[in-house]
Amino acid sequence: DAGVIQSPRHEVTEMGQEVTLRCKPISGHNSLFWYRQTMMRGLELLIYFNNNVPIDDSGMPEDRFSAKMPNASFSTLKIQPSEPRDSAVYFCASSVLARLETQYFGPGTRLLVL
Amino acid sequence: GQQLNQSPQSMFIQEGEDVSMNCTSSSIFNTWLWYKQDPGEGPVLLIALYKAGELTSNGRLTAQFGITRKDSFLNISASIPSDVGIYFCAGRGEYGNKLVFGAGTILRVKS
Repeated sequence: DAGVIQSPRHEVTEMGQEVTLRCKPISGHNSLFWYRQTMMRGLELLIYFNNNVPIDDSGMPEDRFSAKMPNASFSTLKIQPSEPRDSAVYFCASSVLARLETQYFGPGTRLLVL
Repeated sequence: GQQLNQSPQSMFIQEGEDVSMNCTSSSIFNTWLWYKQDPGEGPVLLIALYKAGELTSNGRLTAQFGITRKDSFLNISASIPSDVGIYFCAGRGEYGNKLVFGAGTILRVKS
């Protein structure tokens, strides 16, 4: 069975550029989560969706970050404009709504903003 | 907000030894989870615990949900080189649907 799919796996960009990260959750899962992982702050929840609807975006650092989930099988996290401090590993995870706590993570996107 | 204190920060052990790590919180959690993260990969769910006092095993791994609902531990018996990685505890509180993660325990195994 395919797990959570993320693309790209690696992204190097220059400050000021727009970055779009993509995620395909596990088929049948109806909750999707975006996390950011850094050495300093560990794993932080940015936003999560239930049935394609954003439920809690209180973890989104600022207006430069936005996330969408146009359908049950696709979500994007966009950073515009990107800054060096956005460099991190961004993970997408999905779960079944009835078991929100048992989340399955994708392999992550390693973002480096120069 | 809720925070988890995970210890130890890192461990360097001999192959074959048993390992123990734990997480504590100042607030009550309804669910405790343990994840393992290999280098360059996302965290993988190892064990999920749903009731206070619950003791659950997954192969050589055993985890317990503390009676007070404010702590959990993970034991790994007879460690092997592929146990190397970062182990995270995570908890879901009484309110809301978010998981809170510990800072992780880095495990290194010497063969």
